[in-house]
Amino acid sequence: SQKIEQNSEALNIQEGKTATLTCNYTNYSPAYLQWYRQDPGRGPVFLLLIRENEKEKRKERLKVTFDTTLKQSLFHITASQPADSATYLCALDMSGGFKTIFGAGTRLFVKA
Amino acid sequence: DAGITQSPRHKVTETGTPVTLRCHQTENHRYMYWYRQDPGHGLRLIHYSYGVKDTDKGEVSDGYSVSRSKTEDFLLTLESATSSQTSVYFCAISEGGGREDYGYTFGSGTRLTVV
Repeated sequence: SQKIEQNSEALNIQEGKTATLTCNYTNYSPAYLQWYRQDPGRGPVFLLLIRENEKEKRKERLKVTFDTTLKQSLFHITASQPADSATYLCALDMSGGFKTIFGAGTRLFVKA
Repeated sequence: DAGITQSPRHKVTETGTPVTLRCHQTENHRYMYWYRQDPGHGLRLIHYSYGVKDTDKGEVSDGYSVSRSKTEDFLLTLESATSSQTSVYFCAISEGGGREDYGYTFGSGTRLTVV
């Protein structure tokens, strides 16, 4: 079955630097991959979706890449701010249906 | 969260009792989902619905049932609650099954404790 691997260790970076989070998957290449932000006590909030035929997608300070050869997506936050501190979840579609599976997430801390 | 509400927000129940969680949407979206979130496991799909009275199982469906009699409501029932079902439950909605450029919209969650 498909598995998603995100770094379970928290990522600590300094304000103004670029944060890079990794999402690896193990089996088939998904048709699309999503990234979400989750704050403590809240539901996940959708950030970006990238399709299998797209190499890169940007939205304001966010950039997502999708490498189907490496079975990996990278999520970048440029000029990071303390307000970017949160848990970031990677998600991808399950083969054959309108269902999505999620990784456990990576916690990001941005220090002022 | 706008367009989707979950109730109750918190619940404590005893082992062996039935529990029903409600998800209500005002977006008229076709797809509705129930996930549970536990430390170290992330979000795991319990059941989902692709239309009124059309539901299917997710990866952790044992001990849970669902019903969708109206587009706007998706109910999750724990037939006989167990301590292993202590978790945070999230409902999500989607018009296109998550393939559209705006992904899923999640509710604020229900924290369920089974004692």
